[in-house]
Amino acid sequence: EAQVTQNPRYLITVTGKKLTVTCSQNMNHEYMSWYRQDPGLGLRQIYYSMNVEVTDKGDVPEGYKVSRKEKRNFPLILESPSPNQTSLYFCASSFVERLREQYFGPGTRLTVT
Amino acid sequence: KNQVEQSPQSLIILEGKNCTLQCNYTVSPFSNLRWYKQDTGRGPVSLTIMTFSENTKSNGRYTATLDADTKQSSLHITASQLSDSASYICVVSDNSGGYQKVTFGIGTKLQVIP
Repeated sequence: EAQVTQNPRYLITVTGKKLTVTCSQNMNHEYMSWYRQDPGLGLRQIYYSMNVEVTDKGDVPEGYKVSRKEKRNFPLILESPSPNQTSLYFCASSFVERLREQYFGPGTRLTVT
Repeated sequence: KNQVEQSPQSLIILEGKNCTLQCNYTVSPFSNLRWYKQDTGRGPVSLTIMTFSENTKSNGRYTATLDADTKQSSLHITASQLSDSASYICVVSDNSGGYQKVTFGIGTKLQVIP
């Protein structure tokens, strides 16, 4: 089944404790992206990647890191999480073409205390 | 700055009734517009996509319209069902350079009640 998977789905952590949220897709998509979704703000892009070893900042990259060593994986790293990073996170992937449809993962709900 | 505004923010309708959701955008240069459905606690799923030359597109009981001149789109849901309860997000892509940047609306939260 074609899908985007994220792990973990739910995470409660404390300020400053490094964490990684994994994202994997099995559709051979070149493009992958991370978003956060907060009430009243909609989806905002954190980082995106056009292909392996190619990453770039989105609209709200501060406090986040990403890597793209393999085509199928795009982990999101929070080196020192803070409470303002409490949010619902979505990973998405697509082909790099003009009318590409982004396929979203199931989401990761992160709480930083 | 590219913006996508949706209205209403929330809507409650009776099962079986029709409804229309609105999307206004200021994205330029325009490439395409998508409507996504997002069930609570899940990722968005694409319903329709429309390019500059398309005025209307249907997907079952969902019909999207686009007026590229006024930069407005609507999503019409016919004969609503309880399973239509979700947030509907308008997403507009611009065609700047060789890469498309997407701008998301905040969404309209629809609740269909029996």
